[in-house]
Amino acid sequence: DAGVTQSPTHLIKTRGQHVTLRCSPISGHKSVSWYQQVLGQGPQFIFQYYEKEERGRGNFPDRFSARQFPNYSSELNVNALLLGDSALYLCASSLLEPTTGRGDDTGELFFGEGSRLTVL
Amino acid sequence: AQSVAQPEDQVNVAEGNPLTVKCTYSVSGNPYLFWYVQYPNRGLQFLLKYITGDNLVKGSYGFEAEFNKSQTSFHLKKPSALVSDSALYFCAVRERLNTGFQKLVFGTGTRLLVSP
Repeated sequence: DAGVTQSPTHLIKTRGQHVTLRCSPISGHKSVSWYQQVLGQGPQFIFQYYEKEERGRGNFPDRFSARQFPNYSSELNVNALLLGDSALYLCASSLLEPTTGRGDDTGELFFGEGSRLTVL
Repeated sequence: AQSVAQPEDQVNVAEGNPLTVKCTYSVSGNPYLFWYVQYPNRGLQFLLKYITGDNLVKGSYGFEAEFNKSQTSFHLKKPSALVSDSALYFCAVRERLNTGFQKLVFGTGTRLLVSP
């Protein structure tokens, strides 16, 4: 089975431009999350989507947005790029679903290879 | 907020020797802890997780981790290191969002260098 796939793998943009990153989750996974990994740091949570709705948002400016499609794939959009947006953007899928109180879902995240964005 | 700390930026070990990569956590409630590995120019790969039960958790590629509640630690271990284990290792803790979903909070990472 194919894992999480992301595109493009590398891209270079200039300040002020816009970028769209794409992610296809593992077949059967309905939840997609996005993380930003700046060089030398651990990944930071940006968004989580489930069933096409935003279910969580990290501490990122409104320039960052995302959406999930009916086939569960997802896009991350970043507007008005800044130099500090240069990073590896990781997409992860999982079987995570809302906890019902009757049990606890503790599934791990499956990450893609990432999209490395360089802003000049 | 949940957090994890990885006190060592880099760990050096000779091939064949045991290795330990340290992680301490700060959580409210019971911790759900994870270890991931990242090879150069690659995404993160899941190694193991602690949810409940035995304090010694076995994972992929011969790695294991020991959960210690009194010391709030979750150190990653391997009895005999391989050169191919050289990579960046991240400890992470699950944090529940107010929507009922979850995110992972990662440490800053520890670079493991195994010399031949």
